[in-house]
Amino acid sequence: KAGVTQTPRYLIKTRGQQVTLSCSPISGHRSVSWYQQTPGQGLQFLFEYFSETQRNKGNFPGRFSGRQFSNSRSEMNVSTLELGDSALYLCASSLYQRGTDTQYFGPGTRLTVL
Amino acid sequence: KQEVTQIPAALSVPEGENLVLNCSFTDSAIYNLQWFRQDPGKGLTSLLLIQSSQREQTSGRLNASLDKSSGRSTLYIAASQPGDSATYLCAPTPAGGTSYGKLTFGQGTILTVHP
Repeated sequence: KAGVTQTPRYLIKTRGQQVTLSCSPISGHRSVSWYQQTPGQGLQFLFEYFSETQRNKGNFPGRFSGRQFSNSRSEMNVSTLELGDSALYLCASSLYQRGTDTQYFGPGTRLTVL
Repeated sequence: KQEVTQIPAALSVPEGENLVLNCSFTDSAIYNLQWFRQDPGKGLTSLLLIQSSQREQTSGRLNASLDKSSGRSTLYIAASQPGDSATYLCAPTPAGGTSYGKLTFGQGTILTVHP
């Protein structure tokens, strides 16, 4: 069974631009979560989607948004990029089985903002 | 708000040693706790998941324990190998509501096993 895939793997953008990252979950998984990882702040939760609905949102500005499609694939968008948005963006998928839920992570998208 | 602390922050050991990595969390209202490893620049690999009703979970040379009431989990690595070198992260899953996908991570323990 294929794992979680993320595209693109690397991105270089300049300040003020916007970016869209994509995540394809493991087949059959309906929950997709997004995380930002930086050396200073570590791994921080961005948001989680289940059946095309955002269930949880972390403490990030409105420039960060996401969505989930009917096939469970998810995208996240960052508008008006800032230098501090440079990070590894990870998505994770799960079956959504209460109490036994294992999160499976993708390889990440490395975003560099110049 | 859940806060997760991992001790030690870094650990360097010779091959063959048995290791203990510690994780503590402030909110004991959890459904489960996962341990992950992360290789440099890569995503996270799930190692073990312990349900809140369990005390231990084992996979190969790895054994994780959970004491929910005291907010502690321990990852034990037996007979360490150079391939075990990575950052180890723990993450409790919050109970209540629909927060299953909202993991809170510690800063991790950077493990180096040298031959």
